Amino acid sequence: SQKIEQNSEALNIQEGKTATLTCNYTNYSPAYLQWYRQDPGRGPVFLLLIRENEKEKRKERLKVTFDTTLKQSLFHITASQPADSATYLCALDRTGFQKLVFGTGTRLLVSP
Amino acid sequence: DVKVTQSSRYLVKRTGEKVFLECVQDMDHENMFWYRQDPGLGLRLIYFSYDVKMKEKGDIPEGYSVSREKKERFSLILESASTNQTSMYLCASSPAAGVYEQYFGPGTRLTVT
Repeated sequence: SQKIEQNSEALNIQEGKTATLTCNYTNYSPAYLQWYRQDPGRGPVFLLLIRENEKEKRKERLKVTFDTTLKQSLFHITASQPADSATYLCALDRTGFQKLVFGTGTRLLVSP
Repeated sequence: DVKVTQSSRYLVKRTGEKVFLECVQDMDHENMFWYRQDPGLGLRLIYFSYDVKMKEKGDIPEGYSVSREKKERFSLILESASTNQTSMYLCASSPAAGVYEQYFGPGTRLTVT
């Protein structure tokens, strides 16, 4: 069956460290993958998109990698801050028509 | 900035009632989507629309219908609400076909009693 998995346990890190979140998928061949941030009681907010022919994408303190052989994406936040505390969702497009399937998200807690 | 608004933040309805959830986007986006989000299950696609008067089923369309009479507005209808439709409902839009991010509204927390 098709699955997209994120670590359901919260990730606790100290301010200033690098947070690394994982997204694994099986039985999909997505053309691209997206990462979103969601704060409690709010809708997700888009962060980064990476295509299958891109190995890495960066935006300010954020970095995403995409390994289609391992079927995995890693999301990094460098120099993390308490304001980065949120749930981070990965999503992939099954069909190329924006029919996204989302992981359940990983909650990140950055302590001062 | 793209703005996606949803008609209510919180809604309480009784079993069997017909429920309308409204979503409006202000950026002339072609595509609109309805998701529900439940703990442990993540966001699941209910319906989406590529254009006015067009609709496509998502992964969990049973018990729902949609309406898109104008480009900026996409409505989700629960024909006869049931307790298992208690959830957070999120609307999203995106500019056009192709590779684009989705812009989400704030969500409607619906409770069916």
